[in-house]
Amino acid sequence: AQSVTQLDSHVSVSEGTPVLLRCNYSSSYSPSLFWYVQHPNKGLQLLLKYTSAATLVKGINGFEAEFKKSETSFHLTKPSAHMSDAAEYFCVVRNNDMRFGAGTRLTVKP
Amino acid sequence: DAGVTQSPTHLIKTRGQHVTLRCSPISGHKSVSWYQQVLGQGPQFIFQYYEKEERGRGNFPDRFSARQFPNYSSELNVNALLLGDSALYLCASSLGGGSPRTDTQYFGPGTRLTVL
Repeated sequence: AQSVTQLDSHVSVSEGTPVLLRCNYSSSYSPSLFWYVQHPNKGLQLLLKYTSAATLVKGINGFEAEFKKSETSFHLTKPSAHMSDAAEYFCVVRNNDMRFGAGTRLTVKP
Repeated sequence: DAGVTQSPTHLIKTRGQHVTLRCSPISGHKSVSWYQQVLGQGPQFIFQYYEKEERGRGNFPDRFSARQFPNYSSELNVNALLLGDSALYLCASSLGGGSPRTDTQYFGPGTRLTVL
């Protein structure tokens, strides 16, 4: 069985400050993990993925995530938020099918 | 290169009707997956097809069906529509083959279905 929990439904930051979106996963096997972003009325865009190579994964737009097996976590970070980062973010775990978290809405204040 | 395309973008139906949604994958991709995203929730897996064969099915009633064509495009069909079927329906394509764990999916913009 596999599942993913996004610990915050809503995160609000000021422009230029760091972003942390938290994700914990549960999986019977060594999983692949993904972060996707969804802007309003748009489809999902892949930010980054972990597939058992380096535990620190760099993605697009300055985002990165660290796979921590001991903590079963895959948190998404960015050093400095930009207004264009405001969107819904989904953490995903995959063995066979894809299981999505409920999403975290990121708000960026000017 | 064109990404995943879906049609139509929006659709309004009434309860009891039938709907067909269409998806064209990225060129070279042989696998298509369908997801339902209800407002305020994460997407839920409905089906995956690879080389025209069903590879996986989520926990959805038999009113939901799909198929994949020789050109790898796909259709999702929903019969006897219910109000609760109102959602954004997302299609994703991937290369397919190999390990599902490493088969990255790329999503289309979705079809917004409203059932009245």
